[in-house]
Amino acid sequence: KNQVEQSPQSLIILEGKNCTLQCNYTVSPFSNLRWYKQDTGRGPVSLTIMTFSENTKSNGRYTATLDADTKQSSLHITASQLSDSASYICVVSARPGTYKYIFGTGTRLKVLA
Amino acid sequence: EAGVAQSPRYKIIEKRQSVAFWCNPISGHATLYWYQQILGQGPKLLIQFQNNGVVDDSQLPKDRFSAERLKGVDSTLKIQPAKLEDSAVYLCASSLAGTSIRQYFGPGTRLTVT
Repeated sequence: KNQVEQSPQSLIILEGKNCTLQCNYTVSPFSNLRWYKQDTGRGPVSLTIMTFSENTKSNGRYTATLDADTKQSSLHITASQLSDSASYICVVSARPGTYKYIFGTGTRLKVLA
Repeated sequence: EAGVAQSPRYKIIEKRQSVAFWCNPISGHATLYWYQQILGQGPKLLIQFQNNGVVDDSQLPKDRFSAERLKGVDSTLKIQPAKLEDSAVYLCASSLAGTSIRQYFGPGTRLTVT
């Protein structure tokens, strides 16, 4: 069964600190993995997209890693800011042609001043 | 570039009533998706259109939910009659085509069924 699991479910950190969010998946055949940021009351916004051959992708203070062998991804946030408070959702797509997106349940991050 | 537009942003109805949501995707995007996101969970795909044809509606509760995308542009999602468990945020997303292309999400419609 295609699944995407994220951990932790929620996280509280102090402003300026770093944190790492985890995503494990069992989706096969794999096409790509995306990390989305979803602010409260808003739709998800794409942070990074990685294909099978990519193992690191950065977007400002956000760095995503992908290990296709172990089917794990992480999202590292550096020097967190209050505006990073949001839910972070990992989404895995099956190979093109099947039109399947499998969403994780997200990690809710709260950054405190 | 204009984003995905949705309306209304909020809706409160009583159970057994009907409700409709509207979505206007990004111009030129052939693929349109409707998702249901229950509080604390990730989005769940309800239906996917490619132009005005349905690609996947396997998770759409067809006894009460319906969706259409006339002329391959705007789309409406209807619930009739609503149940308490339909309370959720309904997200519309669009993409150029295929699974390797980025999805763009609208702000969502928050539905509360009382």
